[in-house]
Amino acid sequence: KQEVTQIPAALSVPEGENLVLNCSFTDSAIYNLQWFRQDPGKGLTSLLLIQSSQREQTSGRLNASLDKSSGRSTLYIAASQPGDSATYLCAVSAETSGSRLTFGEGTQLTVNP
Amino acid sequence: DAGVIQSPRHEVTEMGQEVTLRCKPISGHDYLFWYRQTMMRGLELLIYFNNNVPIDDSGMPEDRFSAKMPNASFSTLKIQPSEPRDSAVYFCASSLWGGIGIETQYFGPGTRLLVL
Repeated sequence: KQEVTQIPAALSVPEGENLVLNCSFTDSAIYNLQWFRQDPGKGLTSLLLIQSSQREQTSGRLNASLDKSSGRSTLYIAASQPGDSATYLCAVSAETSGSRLTFGEGTQLTVNP
Repeated sequence: DAGVIQSPRHEVTEMGQEVTLRCKPISGHDYLFWYRQTMMRGLELLIYFNNNVPIDDSGMPEDRFSAKMPNASFSTLKIQPSEPRDSAVYFCASSLWGGIGIETQYFGPGTRLLVL
């Protein structure tokens, strides 16, 4: 059974700092890995999707990397802003889980002005 | 497009009552997913449909839960009878025909359910 773990559970940083969020998964036979953002009381917004054959994806100040063999992904946020404050969730789609998305519990990020 | 639409946004009911949650996916999306999010268990997939047909309902917690998709633009998740432990945020999501292993899923705003 696929398990997804995110570290840290919560992170508070001053504005302007670069930061890294971590995600690990137990089953490396994945189709893809996605990073989502969830604002309080809202649904999830997909930020980046990395196919199993890719190593990284970039969108603006966000960069996500994937090391499938070690079961790890990182989300790098450059020059953080207060508007980046949210919960970030990692999710994987793996063959052994019937192609369903398995989510981590998220990292709650607070960027202080 | 207005995105995935869910109703109601909030629901408070008493134990034993029937609850029906509704979802309208993004037009043209062939896949529809129902998730439940709780503090204890995080975000869990309950069931998903492809072209209105249920594909995997192994996440449905018990027989009190049922889901239908009578057409491409509407789905319901029903809980009968409801119990306090069903209190959670229920999300609906949809994606294009490429399949859930490939395509991004677009989430609705969720329905916050409280069963007293």
